[in-house]
Amino acid sequence: DAMVIQNPRYQVTQFGKPVTLSCSQTLNHNVMYWYQQKSSQAPKLLFHYYDKDFNNEADTPDNFQSRRPNTSFCFLDIRSPGLGDAAMYLCATSREADSNQPQHFGDGTRLSIL
Amino acid sequence: AQSVTQLDSHVSVSEGTPVLLRCNYSSSYSPSLFWYVQHPNKGLQLLLKYTSAATLVKGINGFEAEFKKSETSFHLTKPSAHMSDAAEYFCVATGTASKLTFGTGTRLQVTL
Repeated sequence: DAMVIQNPRYQVTQFGKPVTLSCSQTLNHNVMYWYQQKSSQAPKLLFHYYDKDFNNEADTPDNFQSRRPNTSFCFLDIRSPGLGDAAMYLCATSREADSNQPQHFGDGTRLSIL
Repeated sequence: AQSVTQLDSHVSVSEGTPVLLRCNYSSSYSPSLFWYVQHPNKGLQLLLKYTSAATLVKGINGFEAEFKKSETSFHLTKPSAHMSDAAEYFCVATGTASKLTFGTGTRLQVTL
């Protein structure tokens, strides 16, 4: 059974048109993460939530925002997508923000920009 | 600061032969280390983890890895490759707040 669910699996949007990607989890984990993964590269952390506390990576563009309305859901908002934002976006969770805790990944949303 | 180096970007093996994917890490403390696998258009799946208990770690699908502090290595092995093992493999270390430091990945190709 899927435990970290990302919707949609494929998203196409127009240059500059806002888009929202969705992630939900059934694990009741405290921490949720968003990663950007470009072709043939490792995932790059954009930000994470520990419970309701938002933690932005220093090099994450302002164009990327996130919301976590409750434990189960987390959203990635891209306010004005550019061609360089085309990528796979991965959501992950971990029980705690602890170096021993593995992260559990969803299957990702592949974003294309027209 | 910590870093993870995957020594091979591509590895090709024949089905039924052993697999060796190499990983070295650099850290000022004893890290937690993981191997993840990613199949095309899928998320990352945890294969195994090392968290300072046994140095030989067994994972899913017949994979195992050995932590060698003296060599700062955490190589991934499997005795006999299967076609379904073809995927991208990431060696990962964790630091504070369980932030992941990824290696650059190794693409495993399995041929008949």
